[in-house]
Amino acid sequence: AQSVTQLDSQVPVFEEAPVELRCNYSSSVSVYLFWYVQYPNQGLQLLLKYLSGSTLVKGINGFEAEFNKSQTSFHLRKPSVHISDTAEYFCAVGKGNTPLVFGKGTRLSVIA
Amino acid sequence: DGGITQSPKYLFRKEGQNVTLSCEQNLNHDAMYWYRQDPGQGLRLIYYSQIVNDFQKGDIAEGYSVSREKKESFPLTVTSAQKNPTAFYLCASSPSGTAIGEKLFFGSGTQLSVL
Repeated sequence: AQSVTQLDSQVPVFEEAPVELRCNYSSSVSVYLFWYVQYPNQGLQLLLKYLSGSTLVKGINGFEAEFNKSQTSFHLRKPSVHISDTAEYFCAVGKGNTPLVFGKGTRLSVIA
Repeated sequence: DGGITQSPKYLFRKEGQNVTLSCEQNLNHDAMYWYRQDPGQGLRLIYYSQIVNDFQKGDIAEGYSVSREKKESFPLTVTSAQKNPTAFYLCASSPSGTAIGEKLFFGSGTQLSVL
């Protein structure tokens, strides 16, 4: 079975500083990787996804992620965060047509 | 506007009572999903359906039941057998559920609490 580990439950960062949210997955075969964002009391929205091809994936709101097969990682980065980026971020892995498996989430708090 | 509608936004359950959470979509999606979210636990899959009149158990199906009689509707019943139902419940859909790498579309969630 697939599993996803988000290494940090909470990440505080000052406004305009860079941020990296870490995600590792377990699998021995090809997988598909996603990052979703959840604002308070709302559902999840897709930030970006990796299916194949270029290992650097760009998403919405200035976020990007890099797929690293040798390290089984898919870390999310943003060079300069804003207050509005405060939210919970979920990494998810898919394989074939089975439902996505989500990590436990990382709460990003941007400090003014 | 196309999307997924969950109702109610807040729901309270008395001990021994069954309650039903509604999920409706007008996206013409084949697949629908129910996830449970607890603080610090991420999202865990309860049930999913890839086609009308068919559904499969997810990782934490015990104490829950679903039906999929119409393409646009996938209600979730939290039965009295679910001893710890307090959580945020999220419904999602995807176009086919069988194509690889499909994006999930989420509703705004229902917060269920026990009285």
